[in-house]
Amino acid sequence: AQSVTQLGSHVSVSEGALVLLRCNYSSSVPPYLFWYVQYPNQGLQLLLKYTSAATLVKGINGFEAEFKKSETSFHLTKPSAHMSDAAEYFCAVRPFGNEKLTFGTGTRLTIIP
Amino acid sequence: KAGVTQTPRYLIKTRGQQVTLSCSPISGHRSVSWYQQTPGQGLQFLFEYFSETQRNKGNFPGRFSGRQFSNSRSEMNVSTLELGDSALYLCASSFQAGDYNEQFFGPGTRLTVL
Repeated sequence: AQSVTQLGSHVSVSEGALVLLRCNYSSSVPPYLFWYVQYPNQGLQLLLKYTSAATLVKGINGFEAEFKKSETSFHLTKPSAHMSDAAEYFCAVRPFGNEKLTFGTGTRLTIIP
Repeated sequence: KAGVTQTPRYLIKTRGQQVTLSCSPISGHRSVSWYQQTPGQGLQFLFEYFSETQRNKGNFPGRFSGRQFSNSRSEMNVSTLELGDSALYLCASSFQAGDYNEQFFGPGTRLTVL
């Protein structure tokens, strides 16, 4: 079965600092990987997705993630945090040909002014 | 293009009652998935419908059921509500099953069971 582990349920960074949110996956074959963001009282919005086309994936709002097969990781980064980035972030995995997303437990990102 | 809509947005029920939640996918989307989000269990997959057929099902008791109509709109039903069913229920739609398919999420229905 596929799964994802997000290290750190809460991360705080200063405005303008690097954002690094960690995600490790467990899968017998390289899966499809996703990062979603959830703002308070809202649904999930897709930030970016890995579908084997390129290991470095650029998403919306300046976020990017790098797929590292040797480390089974898909960490999310942003060079400079903005106050509007404060939200909860979820890493998710999806097997081929299946719509079922398996989510990590989420990381709440706080931006310090 | 309108996004995924879910109705109602908020719902309060008492134990033992039943509830029906509705999801209207993005126009042209044929796949609808449902997820339950709770502080304790996080986001968990309930089921997925495609062209009125349930294709995938998560690990939930039979009290949770769903269906999809010919216009791709979907409903999920929870019978004999328990306190633990209090959650945010999210619906997601996608055009069709596929490797590069993206799921678009609605704002959710927040169910409170008293």
